[in-house]
Amino acid sequence: AQSVTQLDSQVPVFEEAPVELRCNYSSSVSVYLFWYVQYPNQGLQLLLKYLSGSTLVKGINGFEAEFNKSQTSFHLRKPSVHISDTAEYFCAVGLYNQGGKLIFGQGTELSVKP
Amino acid sequence: DTAVSQTPKYLVTQMGNDKSIKCEQNLGHDTMYWYKQDSKKFLKIMFSYNNKELIINETVPNRFSPKSPDKAHLNLHINSLELGDSAVYFCASSQAGGNYNEQFFGPGTRLTVL
Repeated sequence: AQSVTQLDSQVPVFEEAPVELRCNYSSSVSVYLFWYVQYPNQGLQLLLKYLSGSTLVKGINGFEAEFNKSQTSFHLRKPSVHISDTAEYFCAVGLYNQGGKLIFGQGTELSVKP
Repeated sequence: DTAVSQTPKYLVTQMGNDKSIKCEQNLGHDTMYWYKQDSKKFLKIMFSYNNKELIINETVPNRFSPKSPDKAHLNLHINSLELGDSAVYFCASSQAGGNYNEQFFGPGTRLTVL
């Protein structure tokens, strides 16, 4: 069975500080990896995805993530956060040939303080 | 222009009632999904349709019946509502059922069962 674990449920950080949101996954088959963001009272929006190739993936709003196969991790980073980055962040895996099924982690609430 | 829209945005109803949530996408996508987000913000896929054909049905009670009249619409009908059905329901769509395609989410429908 596949699973996704986001290691921090809440991450408070000051504006302009760097941030890392951690994600580990477990799967016996190849997966695709995604980070989605959910702003308050809105649907989810794709930040970035890893399919293959370079393990460092750049996304929207200055976010990037690094795929580490040996550690089965896909941590999300941003060198300098803004107040507007305050949101819930979800890591997800997609399974090959599973009809688009995504398995989500529990979410990490990023709270950026002035 | 709204890409994935859902109606209603809020739905408050009594136990035992039957209700429907409508979803429409104007992106020309082939695949549509329903997700349930519980009070702890955990997201889980419920159904997936590709060109009006059911391809994912995740151990969802048969009180939940998705209906896809055409590939731009995927409605969710719920019979005999229970307290545990209270959640936010998200509709999403993607270009195809492949796992590497971005899923576009609607704004969600907050269902409250009293």
